[in-house]
Amino acid sequence: EAGVVQSPRYKIIEKKQPVAFWCNPISGHNTLYWYRQNLGQGPELLIRYENEEAVDDSQLPKDRFSAERLKGVDSTLKIQPAELGDSAVYLCASSTSGSRQETQYFGPGTRLLVL
Amino acid sequence: TQLLEQSPQFLSIQEGENLTVYCNSSSVFSSLQWYRQEPGEGPVLLVTVVTGGEVKKLKRLTFQFGDARKDSSLHITAAQPGDTGLYLCAGALSAGNMLTFGGGTRLMVKP
Repeated sequence: EAGVVQSPRYKIIEKKQPVAFWCNPISGHNTLYWYRQNLGQGPELLIRYENEEAVDDSQLPKDRFSAERLKGVDSTLKIQPAELGDSAVYLCASSTSGSRQETQYFGPGTRLLVL
Repeated sequence: TQLLEQSPQFLSIQEGENLTVYCNSSSVFSSLQWYRQEPGEGPVLLVTVVTGGEVKKLKRLTFQFGDARKDSSLHITAAQPGDTGLYLCAGALSAGNMLTFGGGTRLMVKP
């Protein structure tokens, strides 16, 4: 079974440029998560989807970040414009449902460097 | 201040030594998980504990959930270089699957 797929794996951009990350969750997983992991820290949740509905986006900086999960499968996370502080690893995870103890499976992440 | 504090932040030991890493909070968690993350990869789930006082063993790894469900520990016996990585604890405060991660313990096991 294929795991969570993310692309690109690495991205280097200049500040004020836009950037987008793509995630393909494990087939059949209804819940999708986007996390940001700063260097030397644990992941922090940005947004959670149940199918195509964003059920928790309280930690998403909405002035510059946006996300979508059309058709409840793939998802895209966008930053426009990027700032130096956005440099981090952006992780996507999926689970069969959003209930307690459901295992979240993480993708390898997209490492973003903003110059 | 993070909801989950992990200690130590860094640990460098020789192959064969034992070690314990800790995950502490002032909050009560309905469940707590431990993950291992290798460079360039996402975290991989090792174990989930849900009952206060629960102890789970996974080969040379022993996980314990505190009686009050506010803290947890991970003990590794006879560490091997393959154990090198970032160990993350993550807790769920409620019945949902919203995880809060600790800052991680970076372990290096030298041959």
